Amino acid sequence: DAGVIQSPRHEVTEMGQEVTLRCKPISGHDYLFWYRQTMMRGLELLIYFNNNVPIDDSGMPEDRFSAKMPNASFSTLKIQPSEPRDSAVYFCASSPRLAGYNEQFFGPGTRLTVL
Amino acid sequence: EDQVTQSPEALRLQEGESSSLNCSYTVSGLRGLFWYRQDPGKGPEFLFTLYSAGEEKEKERLKATLTKKESFLHITAPKPEDSATYLCAAGFAGGTSYGKLTFGQGTILTVHP
Repeated sequence: DAGVIQSPRHEVTEMGQEVTLRCKPISGHDYLFWYRQTMMRGLELLIYFNNNVPIDDSGMPEDRFSAKMPNASFSTLKIQPSEPRDSAVYFCASSPRLAGYNEQFFGPGTRLTVL
Repeated sequence: EDQVTQSPEALRLQEGESSSLNCSYTVSGLRGLFWYRQDPGKGPEFLFTLYSAGEEKEKERLKATLTKKESFLHITAPKPEDSATYLCAAGFAGGTSYGKLTFGQGTILTVHP
């Protein structure tokens, strides 16, 4: 398996523009997570899905952020409008069905810079 | 509030100098304690999961242990290639928290040759 795939790997945009980040989880994994990592705040969970359904979006910073998972092999995180404080590395991770508690597998991340 | 705290923030070792990283947690209903390694420009890479106090797991020069309040990542005779940021995370039980991990801030380990 190729692992979790994220695109783009780098995104530079101007304040006010719409940004869409994409993720393809590992095939057969039931859980998908979106994280944001910054030097100041570390790794923060934004939202996660189980079987394509959003379970907990309490980490989404504000209404400018939205996430969707239209099918088991694709998810998007959208920021509209983007602001300089959204600059961070965004990670997607997936996890198999939780019989017990299983590890999450992370993608390589998207480095977002908002000017 | 559930929290995960790692110490030290940064650790510099000479090659071969053994040491330990600490991860303390205050969570209700711990379901698992996870250790990850993160190299610059990459996503976190899974190392270990510990489920109950007293449990230990080993992988090459790394050994992770768990008590009721903290976990340690012991590094024996480290090499420069062990340099990375080490993250610990706690998983919780119940309700909408199920499946969710709370991460510590990480320990940046540098091993000098």
